[in-house]
Amino acid sequence: KNQVEQSPQSLIILEGKNCTLQCNYTVSPFSNLRWYKQDTGRGPVSLTIMTFSENTKSNGRYTATLDADTKQSSLHITASQLSDSASYICVVSESSGYALNFGKGTSLLVTP
Amino acid sequence: EPEVTQTPSHQVTQMGQEVILRCVPISNHLYFYWYRQILGQKVEFLVSFYNNEISEKSEIFDDQFSVERPDGSNFTLKIRSTKLEDSAMYFCASKGGYHEQYFGPGTRLTVT
Repeated sequence: KNQVEQSPQSLIILEGKNCTLQCNYTVSPFSNLRWYKQDTGRGPVSLTIMTFSENTKSNGRYTATLDADTKQSSLHITASQLSDSASYICVVSESSGYALNFGKGTSLLVTP
Repeated sequence: EPEVTQTPSHQVTQMGQEVILRCVPISNHLYFYWYRQILGQKVEFLVSFYNNEISEKSEIFDDQFSVERPDGSNFTLKIRSTKLEDSAMYFCASKGGYHEQYFGPGTRLTVT
C-alpha cells in the first residue's frame, strides 16, 4: 500500500530559527514529490516539486531535498517567520495514475 | 494571478439531503480533481477528471458521488444522499501543465 509518513507530527520553534521536516514514502512507481503549505482552513499551496532526478530544490527560504534511493525527503525552512506557521504536507504521486498520496502533515508553530 | 475558486465556503445540510459543491478551475486547465479532508486527518484523493470523463477515482468515491463539468467552466461534485461521515473540507484542484495542481480554498461541508 502506498504510504507517506511525516515527522515530526508537530513542531514549535522561535522566530528566526531554522527547522527541518522529514518525509518517508513507499509510493511506487514514483513520479514526483511535492511539499505543500496549508494554512488553517485553506487549500494547500505548492512550495516545491521534485522528480526522481532532482535531489534538491529551493523556493526562497524553503529548500527541499529528495533521496529517491532511500525514499526520503526533507523540507528545510531558513530564518523562520511567524507567517510560516502552518501545516506542511508531503505529497507523492505515482507515475501510473493521477492520484496524489498525501502525508498527514507536520504542524509548525513559529513563536515570537 | 489566476486561482481556483469554490462555492459555497461553508455548506450545512441534513443527513440524506443532496448537495452540490461547485468549483471554477483555472481557465486554461484541462485536469480537474476533488479531494476531501476530514477534520484533523490528511487530505484524501476522491476523483480526477479529464476530457469530460473520470480518469481515476478512489474507493471513497462510491455511487453516492458524481462529478460533472456542465458548462465548460464549472466543475461540480454532487453527493446524492449525505451521511454524517461526509462532513469534511472538500478541495477542488486543477492542472494545466505536467506537474502542478492548484487547489481552491475549499468548501466546508457539515452534515447534521
